[in-house]
Amino acid sequence: ETGVTQSPTHLIKTRGQQVTLRCSSQSGHNTVSWYQQALGQGPQFIFQYYREEENGRGNFPPRFSGLQFPNYSSELNVNALELDDSALYLCASSPGLDVLVDTQYFGPGTRLTVL
Amino acid sequence: RKEVEQDPGPFNVPEGATVAFNCTYSNSASQSFFWYRQDCRKEPKLLMSVYSSGNEDGRFTAQLNRASQYISLLIRDSKLSDSATYLCVVKSNDMRFGAGTRLTVKP
Repeated sequence: ETGVTQSPTHLIKTRGQQVTLRCSSQSGHNTVSWYQQALGQGPQFIFQYYREEENGRGNFPPRFSGLQFPNYSSELNVNALELDDSALYLCASSPGLDVLVDTQYFGPGTRLTVL
Repeated sequence: RKEVEQDPGPFNVPEGATVAFNCTYSNSASQSFFWYRQDCRKEPKLLMSVYSSGNEDGRFTAQLNRASQYISLLIRDSKLSDSATYLCVVKSNDMRFGAGTRLTVKP
């Protein structure tokens, strides 16, 4: 087990609604990244937080937003849901920002279905 | 062009076979390289990092060619339990994943 948990496991929403997904990182891991994985595709980077500040962002619109809290938990919020937002959402934590050294540990993901 | 491209697959091989996966990346500033394994409906898990000198972990060998921006993974003596999707990952400021190559090892 990676020590990274996510909730809920599955979620069904309708178009236009808002959703909040949650992640609990390993204790001591200051970096959390969020990914979207559509069926048959690799994970796509949404954004990364380091010590509660956004530290990088992929090619996702502003309706995708996040928060990171001091207790190593984080949230991914998606507003105005679209059908194409249906995917597996993964969070991954790592100890710091060292690109060459730090391994990312993934949670089991939240499967979001937008109807 | 995608940042990370992999063999489309799927690969269906018998137990004991040797199978090789290839991956190319477009960002020459990339600094770290990995292979992840993802089982059906599960999260990706790190299989191995990839170093310029090449590295081996049991039946798995990874190679990196920075000049050609090419990464490979070789699996020898395939086991049924190797059946999974293998994701090539390239890291600069963030992690970029390939679409994955599906491997099925059959008895």
